[in-house]
Amino acid sequence: QQQVKQSPQSLIVQKGGISIINCAYENTAFDYFPWYQQFPGKGPALLIAIRPDVSEKKEGRFTISFNKSAKQFSLHIMDSQPGDSATYFCAASRTGYALNFGKGTSLLVTP
Amino acid sequence: DTAVSQTPKYLVTQMGNDKSIKCEQNLGHDTMYWYKQDSKKFLKIMFSYNNKELIINETVPNRFSPKSPDKAHLNLHINSLELGDSAVYFCASSQGSFSGELFFGEGSRLTVL
Repeated sequence: QQQVKQSPQSLIVQKGGISIINCAYENTAFDYFPWYQQFPGKGPALLIAIRPDVSEKKEGRFTISFNKSAKQFSLHIMDSQPGDSATYFCAASRTGYALNFGKGTSLLVTP
Repeated sequence: DTAVSQTPKYLVTQMGNDKSIKCEQNLGHDTMYWYKQDSKKFLKIMFSYNNKELIINETVPNRFSPKSPDKAHLNLHINSLELGDSAVYFCASSQGSFSGELFFGEGSRLTVL
C-alpha cells in the first residue's frame, strides 16, 4: 500500500520556469517530510525537508509548501535549470518507523 | 572520500547463481539499510540494521540474506538469482534508527540473464 502518493510521474519545464511536484499522504502521524533528488547513475540525496509545524521552507531556489489540513506537500523549484533535471522523490516518516517514499517524478528542464 | 561506498557497481550474472554486494560507510552512523530500485525507479526498503541488529526485514524472499559484521558494514547476499531480481540495489546509512535523513551509496546494478 502506497503511503505517499506523488504526482506527476514526469514533468518537462523550460529553463527559467517553475517546477512543481505534489505529494499526498494519509497517515496523520507522519512528522517528517523530506524530498530527495536523484541524478542518473547516482543514489538519492536529501534535498530539503520540512516538519509539520511550519507551512513553508525555502532553501535557495527550492521551496517546500506544506498543507497539514489537506495532508499534502509540494516541492517548488524556482528558475528551473537544466542541471535540475533529475528524479525527485517525496517521502514521509513518523518517529520509530521507516521512511516511506513516493514513486518519483522525472523532471526534465529544457534549455 | 566516499561516505557510503558499494561494491561492485555492476553485476551481470546468470539465473541460479549466487552474488554478494558489499557496503561500507565512513560517516560514523549506527544504522544501515538496503533498498531496491526497480526499473520504474520505485525505492523499496528491504532491510535495516542498527548497531548490527536487524530492525527492518520487509517481505523479501529468503534468498536475500543481509549481514552486518559491524556498524560500518552491511553486506547483501543473494542466492539462486531470478530474472526479477534485476534492479539497482542501494545501501544507505543514517544516524539513529528510522531517521528520515538517509545517505545513499551510488548503487549496484544487478542484471540477471
